[in-house]
Amino acid sequence: EVQLLESGGGLVQPGGSLRLSCAASGFTFNNFAMSWVRQAPGKGLEWVSAVGGSSEYKFYAESVKGRFTISRDNSKNMLYLQMNSLRAEDTAVYYCAKKKGAIFQSYYMDVWGKGTTVTVSS
Amino acid sequence: QSVLTQPPSVSGAPGQRVTISCTGSSSNIGAGSDVHWYQQLPGTAPQVLIYDNNNRPSGVPDRFSGSKSGTSASLAITGLQAEDEADYYCQSYDSSLSGWVFGGGTKLTVL
Repeated sequence: EVQLLESGGGLVQPGGSLRLSCAASGFTFNNFAMSWVRQAPGKGLEWVSAVGGSSEYKFYAESVKGRFTISRDNSKNMLYLQMNSLRAEDTAVYYCAKKKGAIFQSYYMDVWGKGTTVTVSS
Repeated sequence: QSVLTQPPSVSGAPGQRVTISCTGSSSNIGAGSDVHWYQQLPGTAPQVLIYDNNNRPSGVPDRFSGSKSGTSASLAITGLQAEDEADYYCQSYDSSLSGWVFGGGTKLTVL
């Protein structure tokens, strides 16, 4: 069974840092690009970042560029999101998602984790 | 606001047909990027409902269908059921942003 399990969320003060992890299982991890998607309380989905299967590319939403870093360890089937200089507006549930598709223009998220909650507050 | 525009809410009675629109621009849907739809039931993670404009993953009822034309796309749900009450999101790729974008989401209420 294909599974994604996020961890690492919690309460952090503004300006602080947090590292999210996503453990993947049930598929050949290094064959697929991966993404982070977040959802602020009562709001819609926001794509945050994506990384290629071999880390050949990394993309970020403008709202997190320069503050967040996506990475992966294919030997451990793990995806990460290092979040620095956190702001109140980063408060959200963060989902790890597996991407499927042949080209960027057709990529979609076919498997999602249950999410981990990040709260940025003093 | 979101790059892709959806109506905030739609509603329909059981058995009826509803549609949800997703309007983009020449840098995403109009540029040929595919449109995908997700269903998010209350308190759960999103799951893909329609991919590549009009394809259903196995297990998704054929009551759900998608279409795309020009800079817009639509999700249609026929034979509305109480269990369809959820939030629905469209998603595509934007070449100007070099990233993936979601619509603001549409809350479907089954009356």
